[in-house]
Amino acid sequence: QSVLTQPPSVSGAPGQRVTISCTGSSSNIGAGYDVHWYQQLPGTAPKLLIYGNSNRPSGVPDRFSGSKSGTSASLAITGLQAEDEADYYCQSYDSSLSGSRFGTGTKVTVL
Amino acid sequence: QLQLQESGPGLVKPSETLSLTCTVSGGSISSSSYYWGWIRQPPGKGLEWIGSIYYSGSTYYNPSLKSRVTISVDTSKNQFSLKLSSVTAADTAVYYCARRIVGATLIDYWGQGTLVTVSS
Repeated sequence: QSVLTQPPSVSGAPGQRVTISCTGSSSNIGAGYDVHWYQQLPGTAPKLLIYGNSNRPSGVPDRFSGSKSGTSASLAITGLQAEDEADYYCQSYDSSLSGSRFGTGTKVTVL
Repeated sequence: QLQLQESGPGLVKPSETLSLTCTVSGGSISSSSYYWGWIRQPPGKGLEWIGSIYYSGSTYYNPSLKSRVTISVDTSKNQFSLKLSSVTAADTAVYYCARRIVGATLIDYWGQGTLVTVSS
């Protein structure tokens, strides 16, 4: 089954830079579909963080950036802050589903 | 500002049918620019797309759930609904309704989510 694989957890000290990878396959990211990223704070619904691989919705700090290459994508958080502690999910369209595929999720911990 | 609100029973018995409704306010569900869908998240786990519907009634379901899922739309009430039959404990999750933009694959609005527990 096609999946979008993320590391279960990443951590960093305040002010540091962390990256989260999202590895897909030829039915999703590798097929050229856009990757989007969502931030989920504890007990809340996911919130759109990055869309179209590298675009930030209005109100999202420029500390968050996204990129895509081949069958993978990455989310980078620079100048890590305590408020960034959350779960992060990548998402792409998957032709094998004819619908959305979500990544396995990554918990970011600020040390 | 668009808002989506899920409603329905928080407890469903095994083998019965889970039924949820999403009420859309601040925008029209009849817009040709959006799909409306359901996503779920078991406690402590990741997100799973359940399915989507267009205002015309066209539906798209996750193949792993397709045999048990029905999504419908009521444009007169600005609502869409989810029915999941023959539920088991594995269907216990927070269920989110959400909006996806036609021509894009991003989900730009989410409901707050509602926890549905399957238990006798």
